[in-house]
Amino acid sequence: NAGVTQTPKFRVLKTGQSMTLLCAQDMNHEYMYWYRQDPGMGLRLIHYSVGEGTTAKGEVPDGYNVSRLKKQNFLLGLESAAPSQTSVYFCASSHLRGQPQHFGDGTRLSIL
Amino acid sequence: AQTVTQSQPEMSVQEAETVTLSCTYDTSESDYYLFWYKQPPSRQMILVIRQEAYKQQNATENRFSVNFQKAAKSFSLKISDSQLGDAAMYFCACHSGTYKYIFGTGTRLKVLA
Repeated sequence: NAGVTQTPKFRVLKTGQSMTLLCAQDMNHEYMYWYRQDPGMGLRLIHYSVGEGTTAKGEVPDGYNVSRLKKQNFLLGLESAAPSQTSVYFCASSHLRGQPQHFGDGTRLSIL
Repeated sequence: AQTVTQSQPEMSVQEAETVTLSCTYDTSESDYYLFWYKQPPSRQMILVIRQEAYKQQNATENRFSVNFQKAAKSFSLKISDSQLGDAAMYFCACHSGTYKYIFGTGTRLKVLA
């Protein structure tokens, strides 16, 4: 009964370092999303995927890359971390259009 | 452009009382869906209620109900018999097209004992 699992839950990086956030879902959902949540700004879409092997840019894609090699996994990469990328990152998935999104528990990322 | 506006950054309610959280949205789509999500201090995003725009009947889920005014593009959430566990951030969201979900900036609800 895992749903959407995000790894890691917390991470501290130095400016310029790279890292990958992993999102895994076990609900066979087609659609997967990466958001960032900043104080006072709600959730903003970074990238999304409508199926295995596909990705597309969302509202705030700069500085991030994604991959969806397997249907159940959606990876978010930061190639050269910047302090402006300090945020809480949420992964979500959904099955069909109009259905609610299922969210992971979030990853708190701090970049010094 | 699609927008979702929550004009109340913070609201307070006495335990057992009723509170209404406001949300207005704008979309050019004729087919869309509206949601309220709850985010407690644990940071989880929890679905509270869902409304299909083509349905005139307001959605209800136990103590939670919505007032959906399509012409006014308004989608408010009413919480009846408020409980301490209702304290959280509440986000309104509009879903249209294939993938697009737009979230409001949230309303922090405090429940006073």
